[in-house]
Amino acid sequence: AAGVIQSPRHLIKEKRETATLKCYPIPRHDTVYWYQQGPGQDPQFLISFYEKMQSDKGSIPDRFSAQQFSDYHSELNMSSLELGDSALYFCASSLGPQGIYNEQFFGPGTRLTVL
Amino acid sequence: DAKTTQPNSMESNEEEPVHLPCNHSTISGTDYIHWYRQLPSQGPEYVIHGLTSNVNNRMASLAIAEDRKSSTLILHRATLRDAAVYYCILRDEGNFNKFYFGSGTKLNVKP
Repeated sequence: AAGVIQSPRHLIKEKRETATLKCYPIPRHDTVYWYQQGPGQDPQFLISFYEKMQSDKGSIPDRFSAQQFSDYHSELNMSSLELGDSALYFCASSLGPQGIYNEQFFGPGTRLTVL
Repeated sequence: DAKTTQPNSMESNEEEPVHLPCNHSTISGTDYIHWYRQLPSQGPEYVIHGLTSNVNNRMASLAIAEDRKSSTLILHRATLRDAAVYYCILRDEGNFNKFYFGSGTKLNVKP
């Protein structure tokens, strides 16, 4: 079965550079979530989208922005990168936001290293 | 948001049952109880969820206290592949798109 695809899997950037992470949800899934997991930490919810509209916002820095496109894929744009942004970034998708029983399917993550 | 409390770590022997507790004393009537786990170097994966009644699926069982202030995830026969961090998460019906991971329980399975 198709899973959530994230690209790139690994990314190395310098401080103050920008980065774009991409997420391709499971086919027919219309809701996408982004999480950040720092070293030794638990995943932190950043932001979610349903039908190309932002549905909820968590602890996403102002330097970050995200959007969901017409084909439901999503991109997380990160500017003015800081050392503290080094983390695993997970994307998850689900079929519809209605019915909170809808499980989220997580991708393998993008490991971002900021030097 | 209602909080959950889990032990930092637990240990089990292979082939034995494991009971992973979660306290959620401030749970509201509209909060669903979800369990996810994260295997090393992987993204989290869904395990099970419930509202009031006990639930069973192919992966685990979820026992929910009558007052819903606590729940227990039961792995009937732990395998080495079950070694992971297990997260107990409350999802509010009104804010289901927010999904907050607390500090889960790291389960170590000994052969």
